[in-house]
Amino acid sequence: GQNIDQPTEMTATEGAIVQINCTYQTSGFNGLFWYQQHAGEAPTFLSYNVLDGLEEKGRFSSFLSRSKGYSYLLLKELQMKDSASYLCAVRDSNYQLIWGAGTKLIIKP
Amino acid sequence: TAGITQAPTSQILAAGRSMTLRCTQDMRHNAMYWYRQDLGLGLRLIHYSNTAGTTGKGEVPDGYSVSRANTDDFPLTLASAVPSQTSVYFCASSEEGEGPYEQYFGPGTRLTVT
Repeated sequence: GQNIDQPTEMTATEGAIVQINCTYQTSGFNGLFWYQQHAGEAPTFLSYNVLDGLEEKGRFSSFLSRSKGYSYLLLKELQMKDSASYLCAVRDSNYQLIWGAGTKLIIKP
Repeated sequence: TAGITQAPTSQILAAGRSMTLRCTQDMRHNAMYWYRQDLGLGLRLIHYSNTAGTTGKGEVPDGYSVSRANTDDFPLTLASAVPSQTSVYFCASSEEGEGPYEQYFGPGTRLTVT
């Protein structure tokens, strides 16, 4: 079967750095996406990785290792507005997204 | 640009009744999707459409039907609602195929079946 694993919840301090991990087992791989979802709102796109390595976008970076079936999202200089759920999704061989359950990130002052 | 809109925002529906959730996008995306999101579970694909005139079944299609008469609209119908269909429903659209084509989501419809 297809499976995406992420931690359910993480807590971090404002101004700090946090790494959210995602491991996956899917039928085929055509890219990995990270989305942010604030409570009561729709998911919004953060990053896309299809090749191994690090993609950086301002305070957010995403890493991919295809051989390990592993990705992480790195958030730097955490702000209170970063409190949200972070969703990992893999595009499979049918070009459909398979979603993890999301990691709820709580930022404390 | 409105992007992608959904209606209604929320609804309480009696079991056994039918309902259509509406979704419209103005980005001229070929691909559209319907997901449900339940607490503790990831987004689960109900139905999808890669282009106008075609539809496909996702992971959890039972009890739902869709149509794609044109590029912009992708309604989702519950023929006879059951309590297990209580969920938040998101419609999304994207360019189709390979490449960094992220999905754009509508604001969601919160449905309660009693």
